[in-house]
Amino acid sequence: ETGVTQSPTHLIKTRGQQVTLRCSSQSGHNTVSWYQQALGQGPQFIFQYYREEENGRGNFPPRFSGLQFPNYSSELNVNALELDDSALYLCASRRGGATDTQYFGPGTRLTVL
Amino acid sequence: QQQVKQSPQSLIVQKGGISIINCAYENTAFDYFPWYQQFPGKGPALLIAIRPDVSEKKEGRFTISFNKSAKQFSLHIMDSQPGDSATYFCAASIVGSNYKLTFGKGTLLTVNP
Repeated sequence: ETGVTQSPTHLIKTRGQQVTLRCSSQSGHNTVSWYQQALGQGPQFIFQYYREEENGRGNFPPRFSGLQFPNYSSELNVNALELDDSALYLCASRRGGATDTQYFGPGTRLTVL
Repeated sequence: QQQVKQSPQSLIVQKGGISIINCAYENTAFDYFPWYQQFPGKGPALLIAIRPDVSEKKEGRFTISFNKSAKQFSLHIMDSQPGDSATYFCAASIVGSNYKLTFGKGTLLTVNP
């Protein structure tokens, strides 16, 4: 088990709603990344936060946004939910700098009806 | 555009056999190649990773073979066990891009007793 935790475990929303997912990074890790994993697919990079600033973004629309807090925990916000947003959302933390290992949390399963 | 292609999609191996999963990448700037193992309902867990300055890395029963000229790398699982049954993902990243991971689509490995 990694020290990365995510909440909630499962979530059901309807189209058009907004959702906030939360992640607590492993102790000592200042970099958090978010990934979307559709059923039967590999995770896809959404964005990364380093010391409270977004410093990398994948091919996701602006309705996917995030925050990182001074304790390095993070939120992923998705507005105007679409059916295709149904997926497992994974948070990964890294110590930062030249450290390459990313540790993933268990994920939040989002279902959009 | 799929930058990391993984094969096979699924693999069935007998206990004690060798499991081999292959990946090919397109972006020659990639310089970090990890393999992740994912069990149902869990986040991906790092198994083993390699940098392109070596052609092989071994950790216990897991070995990565890396062919820079062919832009290919593979995971070998020796003496496969039923507990190894999981989905395996190869990934690649560029150190200078803050380690954003590009994943393959995954291989579902089943090890029969």
